Amino acid sequence: SYVLTQPPSVSVAPGETARITCGGNNIGSKSVHWYQQKPGQGPVLVIHYDRARPSGIPERFSGSNSGSTATLTISRVEAGDEADYYCQVCENSSDHPVFGGGTKLTVL
Amino acid sequence: EMQLVESGGGLVQPGGSLRLSCAASGFIFTDYWVHWVRQAPGKGLVWVSRINGDGSNVVYADFVKGRFTISRDNADNTVSLQMSTLSPEDTAVYYCARGSGSGSYRHFDSWGQGTLVTVSS
Repeated sequence: SYVLTQPPSVSVAPGETARITCGGNNIGSKSVHWYQQKPGQGPVLVIHYDRARPSGIPERFSGSNSGSTATLTISRVEAGDEADYYCQVCENSSDHPVFGGGTKLTVL
Repeated sequence: EMQLVESGGGLVQPGGSLRLSCAASGFIFTDYWVHWVRQAPGKGLVWVSRINGDGSNVVYADFVKGRFTISRDNADNTVSLQMSTLSPEDTAVYYCARGSGSGSYRHFDSWGQGTLVTVSS
């Protein structure tokens, strides 16, 4: 099955830029989606189709995808961005959704 | 405002059964696939199952095939997940999520708050 690899943790100071990566074999050929999950809450879609922001998601959130790495970028990080972030794609053969292991974003 | 609310979680003994429900509101229910995704304590998200708008197409992850059954009642705007032969490895928060996209573009544009299933003696 298709494997997505995320760093377990990323730390950034308020106002700085956070970059969370999602690695996978030729992931640039897939459509990548990103979710934010705060403690005790269900996930929230923050980026879909590699780089599109759903309604209500701040412009500070952006995405890119090329080669073997997709990246979620959060600009001007705020304390409220502290959460776990998951990338997701679908397997080619089955269309089964697959998630990365998640990255905990800590705002220092 | 669209909403998904899960219910039915609880403590069940190994080998037992449990039925989860997901109540939807605020959107045209039959237009959407609905998925179940689970999250073991302290772990990541894992997709479990999905069902299409009229209930004619269901798909399962390999690890639940033959044990879990997904269904929907479009008159009630609910999706159910009947779980049987449960093991401690099935302990998790179970989320229902509204599907978006198709084929290799599938993803989830809205999620519920989840319901906790604990399998333990």
